[in-house]
Amino acid sequence: DAKTTQPPSMDCAEGRAANLPCNHSTISGNEYVYWYRQIHSQGPQYIIHGLKNNETNEMASLIITEDRKSSTLILPHATLRDTAVYYCIVGGSGGSNYKLTFGKGTLLTVNP
Amino acid sequence: GAVVSQHPSRVICKSGTSVKIECRSLDFQATTMFWYRQFPKKSLMLMATSNEGSKATYEQGVEKDKFLINHASLTLSTLTVTSAHPEDSSFYICSARRAGGSYGYTFGSGTRLTVV
Repeated sequence: DAKTTQPPSMDCAEGRAANLPCNHSTISGNEYVYWYRQIHSQGPQYIIHGLKNNETNEMASLIITEDRKSSTLILPHATLRDTAVYYCIVGGSGGSNYKLTFGKGTLLTVNP
Repeated sequence: GAVVSQHPSRVICKSGTSVKIECRSLDFQATTMFWYRQFPKKSLMLMATSNEGSKATYEQGVEKDKFLINHASLTLSTLTVTSAHPEDSSFYICSARRAGGSYGYTFGSGTRLTVV
């Protein structure tokens, strides 16, 4: 079973920041938080991941609470092309053979 | 960055035939690859973990004799759907990860299988 809880859908206006929440209250100390997105009929695209500290890359920022029980993915300036299903996943403690289990994700719709 | 190539992207086959899907890590070695299946409007479901040089590990409910996995090298894993039936029609996706926690998992672009 997936270890995360996400809202099924969210809307965001184009050009505004999209903040996608994720609860992972049972995360263990060595598990990472991963975010992926999937546009229709494509493979999931890696966005960002982190362990404890907040992370930022060219696509997004990841804010992880101090107790690590929840996180927020921030797309600073959403565009129409950011419309996708966003998956928050915990796992991958460092070994390359740690399997990722997908939940249902959040369908983000960016509106013009 | 890590790139995973999956081929073919789309295949149509007749019921009763077998179909092979390839997954290659292009710029890194992957001792482990993962195979997922995704039905319309559903999330990805892990089918099996492919281990280089050894047998794959299948998730509960996945028939190992129907979904044959071979991981003959550090850059190639194949999934063969044997004696395909219409209910096997789905979107199949592979993924791999470089060793070390600093890397994310990379996914292939997926294969749309239609069995007629």
